[in-house]
Amino acid sequence: DAMVIQNPRYQVTQFGKPVTLSCSQTLNHNVMYWYQQKSSQAPKLLFHYYDKDFNNEADTPDNFQSRRPNTSFCFLDIRSPGLGDAAMYLCATSTIGKQETQYFGPGTRLLVL
Amino acid sequence: QQQVKQSPQSLIVQKGGISIINCAYENTAFDYFPWYQQFPGKGPALLIAIRPDVSEKKEGRFTISFNKSAKQFSLHIMDSQPGDSATYFCAAQGNFGNEKLTFGTGTRLTIIP
Repeated sequence: DAMVIQNPRYQVTQFGKPVTLSCSQTLNHNVMYWYQQKSSQAPKLLFHYYDKDFNNEADTPDNFQSRRPNTSFCFLDIRSPGLGDAAMYLCATSTIGKQETQYFGPGTRLLVL
Repeated sequence: QQQVKQSPQSLIVQKGGISIINCAYENTAFDYFPWYQQFPGKGPALLIAIRPDVSEKKEGRFTISFNKSAKQFSLHIMDSQPGDSATYFCAAQGNFGNEKLTFGTGTRLTIIP
């Protein structure tokens, strides 16, 4: 089945220790998104790619970076995680176009100690 | 103006009853209104969506009612089942390519036997 895969599902890191979350997709979608979702809150868009064209949300902290080496893979790097970065991180994909459905992965839950 | 307000925050409904979740928006540039369903430990998934040229859309037990003049829309779940227990997010999106989703704050729905 075509899908959005996130690894790992759970990640524990130490305060200030860099961490990388990964997302892969078999949908062959051009657009990939990273969202942060804190407990009992809506997903918050961090950034997205149209193919290799990177688009950062204005309020995304500099601590968060992303890489998309090819169509299938996208990475979220948190350079110096703080306690406030503990959250679920969701990857989503869509085709290019107007109001296209976004397909979400299961998320990676990040715990910062 | 970019917000989508959602209520209630949580909802408990008896099995077989009707669950109703309400959303309101301000931005008249929004013209696509999807609802996402999220189970614990999973990413959101598109449930049903509507455009403002119709006042109602029904898919199985799920119905969206849309009131363009009031800038409000709601999700009705008929014959609610325990398997419907999840968090529901309304969202809104404008009409240019891959514009980001603006999510409501979410409603945690619990269906009790």
